[in-house]
Parts: sequence; C-alpha cells; structure tokens
Amino acid sequence: GAGVSQSPRYKVAKRGQDVALRCDPISGHVSLFWYQQALGQGPEFLTYFQNEAQLDKSGLPSDRFFAERPEGSVSTLKIQRTQQEDSAVYLCASSHPTGSDYGYTFGSGTRLTVV
Amino acid sequence: AQSVTQPDIHITVSEGASLELRCNYSYGATPYLFWYVQSPGQGLQLLLKYFSGDTLVQGIKGFEAEFKRSQSSFNLRKPSVHWSDAAEYFCAVALTGTASKLTFGTGTRLQVTL
Repeated sequence: GAGVSQSPRYKVAKRGQDVALRCDPISGHVSLFWYQQALGQGPEFLTYFQNEAQLDKSGLPSDRFFAERPEGSVSTLKIQRTQQEDSAVYLCASSHPTGSDYGYTFGSGTRLTVV
Repeated sequence: AQSVTQPDIHITVSEGASLELRCNYSYGATPYLFWYVQSPGQGLQLLLKYFSGDTLVQGIKGFEAEFKRSQSSFNLRKPSVHWSDAAEYFCAVALTGTASKLTFGTGTRLQVTL
C-alpha cells in the first residue's frame, strides 16, 4: 500500500484482557519496527523485524508483550493480561534499508486505553 | 547508550516569527539524525534527516536543520512560522550503517499565536 496501515485506530480493553494490534507495512519494506508512545513522551522502541525474523526485542517491557511477523509482511503486536500501564499509542514503522536511505515511514498508531 | 535531549518542553511563537528547536544527542560516533513532526492523533511525519555531507539540511515545509559535531547538536529552524506548524516535534537518532531502531527525544510542543 501507499503507507503503513495500523488497526484498530482505537482500542479500549478491560484490565486483564488480551489485545492484538495489527500493522500492515509498505509493500516491499523488509524492516518493521514497533514503538510505544506514552502520553506526553517520545516513542520508545519495542521490537524490530527484518522480514520474518525478529532481530531485536529488547524493548518489550514484559513477557506479556509478544510480536510476530510470520510471512515477513503484516505484523501483530499482542499484549496479554493488559494492565493500566500499557495504555499508550502503539506505533508501527517500516523501512527499506538499502544504501544510506533510512526511509522510516510511520503508521498513525493504535491508541490503547486499559480501563 | 545513545540518548537524545530536547531541553524545551513547550515553545510559543507568534505567526511569522522565526523558530529554533534544540536537540542534543549523546553517542560515541555521529549517528543518523532525524526530525519528525506529530500532529494530534497522527503518526510521525519525517521533516528531514542527516546522514553525512553538508551539515545544513533542508526539509519539507520550509524547515532546515544544522548538524554541529562539536556541540553534538542538530537544531531545527524555520525562518517564518505558520499557524499550521503547531504540533509536537521530535528529534531522533539511529546507529550508522545498519537499519536500526530510532531513539527519540521527549519532544517539544510548539504553539503558534496569531
């Protein structure tokens, strides 16, 4: 597609509920990143995929967070047993790391509210 | 670990006035440097980026930024601000040579008065 698409745009979850957030990157972009942006803060790195391989998951805050990209295209960020501190905007970005062009393109994000 | 500092949390300027948003980074080598803008409820839009070469970088919407190695800074400037520039601005860095994660500053919220 023309841009990075994320769904849903908004999600309200009851504490303890599992959620799944979807990211559809730009076609052909091999790199995919997930970021968490708390209110009033800058985005913070969660995890990184190159094609289907998860090369860096150092930013995932707990084992309740899990990400996958099984076919090297669409990615899903799953949060199990959501807690209030998980409330944030979750941003997805994709890039095509050829040469020196860091063409990161961000989606509009999913705003997760845990009540 | 690399870090990014944006010392100004909130800046207010009058429409038509000039703007400078500060960004300092801490990293052993020269990282890739970026400025992004985020309007309410929107994702991040790239304004400009610096990889190497000319230290004065031109971006979209009339923005420019200057890389100063001696000061580890990458300040964003605009000669004349428009009301539509009101938004949150983020400076970010990435490691050189690889497709790597971005480390963001905490952002500067720009308010434009008419």
